[in-house]
Amino acid sequence: NAGVTQTPKFQVLKTGQSMTLQCAQDMNHEYMSWYRQDPGMGLRLIHYSVGAGITDQGEVPNGYNVSRSTTEDFPLRLLSAAPSQTSVYFCASSYSNRLGQETQYFGPGTRLLVL
Amino acid sequence: GDSVTQMEGPVTLSEEAFLTINCTYTATGYPSLFWYVQYPGEGLQLLLKATKADDKGSNKGFEATYRKETTSFHLEKGSVQVSDSAVYFCALSGYQTGANNLFFGTGTRLTVIP
Repeated sequence: NAGVTQTPKFQVLKTGQSMTLQCAQDMNHEYMSWYRQDPGMGLRLIHYSVGAGITDQGEVPNGYNVSRSTTEDFPLRLLSAAPSQTSVYFCASSYSNRLGQETQYFGPGTRLLVL
Repeated sequence: GDSVTQMEGPVTLSEEAFLTINCTYTATGYPSLFWYVQYPGEGLQLLLKATKADDKGSNKGFEATYRKETTSFHLEKGSVQVSDSAVYFCALSGYQTGANNLFFGTGTRLTVIP
């Protein structure tokens, strides 16, 4: 198993450019999510999905779009990048559990710099 | 809303010292509690978890007990090693819609010196 994979590892964008951060998992997990990590703020949830075709917003969704057409993939789209989106982005997946008891598996992260 | 308050760092300890990182939480219902660790240049990985009150999670010499009465989940290790140097995150997951979503503390950076 490759686990959770993310591409690219590092990206530099100019303000206003768009891009898609890729995330894939091979563990047949229903639940997938995107977090951003900023200094002194821990990780904050951007969007999540409880299964193919179902997505919802997290704590900081503005400026980001997601879709979930397959169980394996959960891409994160930045439509018009802004310097405030400079961050490290982590994708995570787990089995779905209504009590939230499942372990989350994290990808290695994508470091994004917006100039 | 749900939240986690974590001891601020950074923390610097000598090898074989005792470690405590405090974590308290606010949540509705009965959340599950987690400690995740992030080694330099890597993603997060689960260190330990507890899913109900009075449960003790343990792994690699680390322990934490889910204390509902004090809403705490403090991380402890009796003798740290240089290889324990990392950032430690306390987190909880909810009990309602989006139950698998994690709420994280701000993280505590631990440096262990030989």
